Amino acid sequence: DSGVTQTPKHLITATGQRVTLRCSPRSGDLSVYWYQQSLDQGLQFLIQYYNGEERAKGNILERFSAQQFPDLHSELNLSSLELGDSALYFCASSVSRNKETQYFGPGTRLLVL
Amino acid sequence: SQQGEEDPQALSIQEGENATMNCSYKTSINNLQWYRQNSGRGLVHLILIRSNEREKHSGRLRVTLDTSKKSSSLLITASRAADTASYFCATHRSGGGADGLTFGKGTHLIIQP
Repeated sequence: DSGVTQTPKHLITATGQRVTLRCSPRSGDLSVYWYQQSLDQGLQFLIQYYNGEERAKGNILERFSAQQFPDLHSELNLSSLELGDSALYFCASSVSRNKETQYFGPGTRLLVL
Repeated sequence: SQQGEEDPQALSIQEGENATMNCSYKTSINNLQWYRQNSGRGLVHLILIRSNEREKHSGRLRVTLDTSKKSSSLLITASRAADTASYFCATHRSGGGADGLTFGKGTHLIIQP
């Protein structure tokens, strides 16, 4: 158990809908990262937040957004969902904003029908 | 984009044998990390090796890094059935700014009992 929690574990929704994925980082970790894992694209970095502020962006679509709250939990919002958004979404956390070990949550499996 | 490329894509060995997986990457790195993923579950951090290190050990794991060849290898000695999983290398680029990890496509390791 990494100490990173994610909810929900599974999500099934329809095209065009909007969903919110939630992540609680390890106690004391200030950085939160979001990743997407799909069969065709593999594991891709989406976005990083550090202590409530957006720190870095990766291959995140404009339909996706995230935020980190004062209690350091983070939410990833996916809107206007398409079939291709079906994937595993992972949250990871690390102590600071430096290049260091990231601890991954169990993921949310999203299925868009 | 995928920076790391693991080799082989899949590996099947007998329990007790050693397993070696290789990873190549394209840009200068700050560090390289190896993660394990069991069948669609979360990623477990195994080991981190910095760009100024050449070899690192952790239990039955041995990691080497050759920055001149932009490659790394992960050796698992005395393999066990529980080692069956996918193994990913992930890199942090060197230089300023924070960003997420860049993952390879992974090696699927099967340990035959």
